[in-house]
Amino acid sequence: QKEVEQNSGPLSVPEGAIASLNCTYSDRVSQSFFWYRQYSGKSPELIMSIYSNGDKEDGRFTAQLNKASQYVSLLIRDSQPSDSATYLCAVNRQGTYKYIFGTGTRLKVLA
Amino acid sequence: DAGVIQSPRHEVTEMGQEVTLRCKPISGHNSLFWYRQTMMRGLELLIYFNNNVPIDDSGMPEDRFSAKMPNASFSTLKIQPSEPRDSAVYFCASSLVRAGDGEKLFFGSGTQLSVL
Repeated sequence: QKEVEQNSGPLSVPEGAIASLNCTYSDRVSQSFFWYRQYSGKSPELIMSIYSNGDKEDGRFTAQLNKASQYVSLLIRDSQPSDSATYLCAVNRQGTYKYIFGTGTRLKVLA
Repeated sequence: DAGVIQSPRHEVTEMGQEVTLRCKPISGHNSLFWYRQTMMRGLELLIYFNNNVPIDDSGMPEDRFSAKMPNASFSTLKIQPSEPRDSAVYFCASSLVRAGDGEKLFFGSGTQLSVL
């Protein structure tokens, strides 16, 4: 089992719709969770971090964490064509400097 | 700040040659990470340093790979000898990590390595 798993996609949504991206992780001691966005040919950039169970909202983005189910998700409201990218889920185990990434989900927002 | 600076941006070499990738982290950051990204395996952690000390190199694929961080502002990843399967994008990232809390990683632009 991979430490961090994501559906590779592509996930296609129409412009203005909600895109839902999911991630599961295997290490129960994981404490910090991140969503990075990576445009084709570019480097990953952080868009959201979440540390406790529940929802965290930032503009059009909402991260959701359920540690009991070892599940973290990212919702993108009012999706725009500029949101088309690969979204990487990353987890960090408390007390370490180790950040493990999933293979990413490719999102396509159709105009 | 200029961000994390990597060089070269592109490297094309022949099998068996030595390859050296370079990274300058963001000033003040205490942790540095080397990642490799391929379509098949995604973003893999190779090694990370904290305060210039290698903490975990379990991701380094084999003895052909080595990494150094002689000071807080410079790190190298060396592959000797290089093989075609080493072809990938290599990213360097830095962060200011405090007391084990998860912090944002700042990535460099990456080095696209092609080994022929």
